[in-house]
Amino acid sequence: QVQLVQSGGEVKKPGASVKVSCKASGYTFSTYGFSWVRQAPGQGPEWMGWISAYNGNTNYAQTYQGRVTMTTDTSASTVYMELRSLRSDDTAVYYCARDRGRDCRGGRCVTYGLDVWGQGTTVTVSS
Amino acid sequence: AIQMTQSPSSLSASVGDRVTITCRASQDIRNELGWYQQKPGKAPKLLINAASILQSGVPSRFSGDGSGTDFTLTISSLQPEDFATYYCLQDFNHPRTFGQGTTLVSK
Repeated sequence: QVQLVQSGGEVKKPGASVKVSCKASGYTFSTYGFSWVRQAPGQGPEWMGWISAYNGNTNYAQTYQGRVTMTTDTSASTVYMELRSLRSDDTAVYYCARDRGRDCRGGRCVTYGLDVWGQGTTVTVSS
Repeated sequence: AIQMTQSPSSLSASVGDRVTITCRASQDIRNELGWYQQKPGKAPKLLINAASILQSGVPSRFSGDGSGTDFTLTISSLQPEDFATYYCLQDFNHPRTFGQGTTLVSK
């Protein structure tokens, strides 16, 4: 079955970096992209950005521009999200999600949403 | 960025009730919207894509409607396992934006 398995929780000090991995299985990795979403305690989810698993193209939310890098390792069917210069308000659960994007056929387009999610990685930033 | 305004933020209901959650986009997003259910400590789960397409395995009591700027998620007969938080997410463009969420609580 299609599955995304994320790396374990992290505790970091302010100013440090964190790199979260997300390993996909059960489908052809390069077919779809991935979105990263984070959720601070007691808050709603927030979209951080997207990466194509086909060619590595990225699109980051303005909030994270310059601080986040998303990459893929196709040979390992794994996508990574690195966040730098961590602050206490980066404490959150970070999720990867398969992003099937928009499929257009015969002049009709359908969007498929974030249909498979990882289990989440808790990142705690504390001095 | 497209703003997604979801209402209500909280909804008190009983098992068997019909409930409707609304999401409004700040611009036309065609039908490019998904609905997600989230339970405490769990990842969001996609219920509906393209405004009205029910994901495989999702009970038929869930339905979605709308296009343009106004969208609804309806649960026709609330079940105990449906008490959760629901979010809309626009798939029209980047940055993707979520609604603020609607928490269903037991009356």
